Amino acid sequence: NAGVTQTPKFQVLKTGQSMTLQCAQDMNHNSMYWYRQDPGMGLRLIYYSASEGTTDKGEVPNGYNVSRLNKREFSLRLESAAPSQTSVYFCASSPGSAPSYEQYFGPGTRLTVT
Amino acid sequence: EDKVVQSPLSLVVHEGDTVTLNCSYEVTNFRSLLWYKQEKKAPTFLFMLTSSGIEKKSGRLSSILDKKELSSILNITATQTGDSAIYLCAVNSGSEKLVFGKGTKLTVNP
Repeated sequence: NAGVTQTPKFQVLKTGQSMTLQCAQDMNHNSMYWYRQDPGMGLRLIYYSASEGTTDKGEVPNGYNVSRLNKREFSLRLESAAPSQTSVYFCASSPGSAPSYEQYFGPGTRLTVT
Repeated sequence: EDKVVQSPLSLVVHEGDTVTLNCSYEVTNFRSLLWYKQEKKAPTFLFMLTSSGIEKKSGRLSSILDKKELSSILNITATQTGDSAIYLCAVNSGSEKLVFGKGTKLTVNP
């Protein structure tokens, strides 16, 4: 089992460029999540998908779009990157069953926007 | 709005010390509280707590929940340099989401 995988691991973009971060899980989990982590800010939820075919905004969705391609895959797209989007991005998945909703995290993507 | 507050934000100790990390929460419909450890990369799961007063233990780490005080503590005894990490607290309030605190950065010096 690979768990949660993310690509790429590192990316440098120029302001205005677009890119898609890919995430896949092989644990047959229902729920998937995208977070960003900035120094001193903890993990902030960008978007999540409670099940295949549904997506919802989290705390900081502006500037991002997501696609739940199937049960395994959940991608995050930056349409026009801005320096404020420089961050480490984590994808996570969860069985989505009460009461724990324990989440399993991918290794992260370090994105720099210049 | 659901909120999770961790304290202290950072802590520096010497190997062998015992540390206590705090997590307090304000959520509309508490279901569970989770602790994660984050070293260089992804957070890894430590404990999940749902009931007050029941201690969860794993080696030198232990945690307990106090629903009356809306808080939890994470204790680490006989700290080692390998315990240096960011410790994250998260709360589930009945949806598929977790609300995370900002984390406590623990540094253990030899």
